[in-house]
Amino acid sequence: NAGVTQTPKFRILKIGQSMTLQCTQDMNHNYMYWYRQDPGMGLKLIYYSVGAGITDKGEVPNGYNVSRSTTEDFPLRLELAAPSQTSVYFCASVPGVAKNIQYFGAGTRLSVL
Amino acid sequence: GENVEQHPSTLSVQEGDSAVIKCTYSDSASNYFPWYKQELGKGPQLIIDIRSNVGEKKDQRIAVTLNKTAKHFSLHITETQPEDSAVYFCAARVNINTGTASKLTFGTGTRLQVTL
Repeated sequence: NAGVTQTPKFRILKIGQSMTLQCTQDMNHNYMYWYRQDPGMGLKLIYYSVGAGITDKGEVPNGYNVSRSTTEDFPLRLELAAPSQTSVYFCASVPGVAKNIQYFGAGTRLSVL
Repeated sequence: GENVEQHPSTLSVQEGDSAVIKCTYSDSASNYFPWYKQELGKGPQLIIDIRSNVGEKKDQRIAVTLNKTAKHFSLHITETQPEDSAVYFCAARVNINTGTASKLTFGTGTRLQVTL
């Protein structure tokens, strides 16, 4: 059972480039989340999804887009990378609203130069 | 929205001593308070949690206390060991979207160093 898998683990982007951070879970969880973690800070919610076809903004959605075409996958898209998006990105999943535990992936470290 | 403050930002203890990390939250609707441990290069891992209808919970060497009136909760680690060294995050959960989803708001983390 792989849990929550994120790819890539590391990436360096130039300003203005685009990329997709992949997140997939094999636990059949309905709820999925994307966070960013800046140095010395807690995790900030970017986007979340309560099920396939349903997504909503979190606290810091600007500059990002998401989609949820399947229960398993929840990719995060950066269209025009900016230095302010340098961060570590974590994806998490939860079985349902009554189930509290968030299962996190290992993270993607992104640098925009 | 919810705001979670966490103190201290760094904590150094000797092996065998106790460590206490404190968090306060602002939204009285928060109903669930997990603690996560994050080791270097890894994602956060849940170590203990407490619901709003419980005042204290213990799991071996770790315990969490919750004071709903004061809106604060604390993590207690006893008999600390070198492998306890990590960054610890508290969080508070609120229901959103008329209860169809929930959101965690995280504290800024405490870097715990257990020295020999």
